[in-house]
Formats: sequence, C-alpha cells, structure tokens
Amino acid sequence: DAGITQSPRHKVTETGTPVTLRCHQTENHRYMYWYRQDPGHGLRLIHYSYGVKDTDKGEVSDGYSVSRSKTEDFLLTLESATSSQTSVYFCAINTGLENSPLHFGNGTRLTVT
Amino acid sequence: DQQVKQNSPSLSVQEGRISILNCDYTNSMFDYFLWYKKYPAEGPTFLISISSIKDKNEDGRFTVFLNKSAKHLSLHIVPSQPGDSAVYFCAASADYGGATNKLIFGTGTLLAVQP
Repeated sequence: DAGITQSPRHKVTETGTPVTLRCHQTENHRYMYWYRQDPGHGLRLIHYSYGVKDTDKGEVSDGYSVSRSKTEDFLLTLESATSSQTSVYFCAINTGLENSPLHFGNGTRLTVT
Repeated sequence: DQQVKQNSPSLSVQEGRISILNCDYTNSMFDYFLWYKKYPAEGPTFLISISSIKDKNEDGRFTVFLNKSAKHLSLHIVPSQPGDSAVYFCAASADYGGATNKLIFGTGTLLAVQP
C-alpha cells in the first residue's frame, strides 16, 4: 500500500463554513493530487502539486484552494463550503516519472448541509 | 464534455466467465491509458495500463486492448472471480510536455461477479 493518509475520513459541515482536508504521504513523491468523485462524473481533478509551494489548477478548481508547505503534506481548503461540494475527496500521489500510475488514499467523505 | 466515456454503468457476469469492460475516448492526444479498480469506502487501486504504442497488455487474468483508430479500449478479466466485484474506472492522460500524469477518468462501471 502506498503510504497515503487522508484526514478526516468523514466530515459534516454547514454551508458557508471553511473546511480543510489533509493528505499526508510517506513515500516522498514529488507529485500530489486532489480529486473528487461524484455519481455520473467519475473522478475529476481539482488541484495538483509538482513540488513544495508549486501547485496548479485542475478541471474543477473553482471554490477550492491548496497549499503544500512540506513534501509530505497537501492541504485542500474550501473557503466557504457549498452544498455542491458534497462529495468524496481523494488524494493521490506519484513519482512524476513518465507514465507512472497514481496511487490513491482512501478518501474523505464530505457532506455540506 | 466527457473525454473518457464508460457507457455501461453496470455489468453482471457468472464466476469463471469472461468480463469485458469497455471505454471510449475522444481526445486523440491521449497516449497512456489505465484501469483502476475501486471497492466501497476505499480509494481506487491501479490495475493495469497500456501505452499508445501498444495494442495489448496482459497481466495475469487481466488484459487491456487498445484500438487507437476507434479510440476504444477494453479490459478483459478471465476467469472472473467474486472478488473482482468492484467499480472499474478507465483513465487516460496526454503528454503535453510536463510529467504531471494528470488523469482524466471515465464514470466507472460496476462489475458484479455472481458465484
């Protein structure tokens, strides 16, 4: 198993509140990703990081921000949660080598009421 | 606009028979394709991949076929086992010059293998 820990595993929050999800890896991989999984959409990339303090947007980045101050940690923040952000969030890592597969954490189920 | 499509939301097969999961894509720039398997309450796990320079890749009971002209790939599982019951995601990536491996996923197919 790739050493990826996501916290919390479950969270219920109210509309308008800030939420931060954490991804911690022990593999020292350069690349980290945040995806969300929704019925009918599969997994969609939110943001990714290619090094400490180096991040870029994915296809569904609106309403989300990320930070990476250490190689091992990648944080996803919802500044003001909305009901449309109710989803399962997955963190993934890979080495960045060509055609290296992503390895995923076990996800965080977020419910925004 | 769904660049990677899995048109069958679910598939049911008998134990010991072949399972065939299909995936279509629209972006001709995709050059690397993967299949992931996902159990409930777990993250997706990498299963098998194929580069666009190949048309077939095999790993034990799992074989992926790529038809570039049709923009179609398929995953064959032979023989199917009850433990194969899971959601299978097809994914693709394109090399735009950076080694980011940003994957575009399909919507998934739920495979149920009946004992």
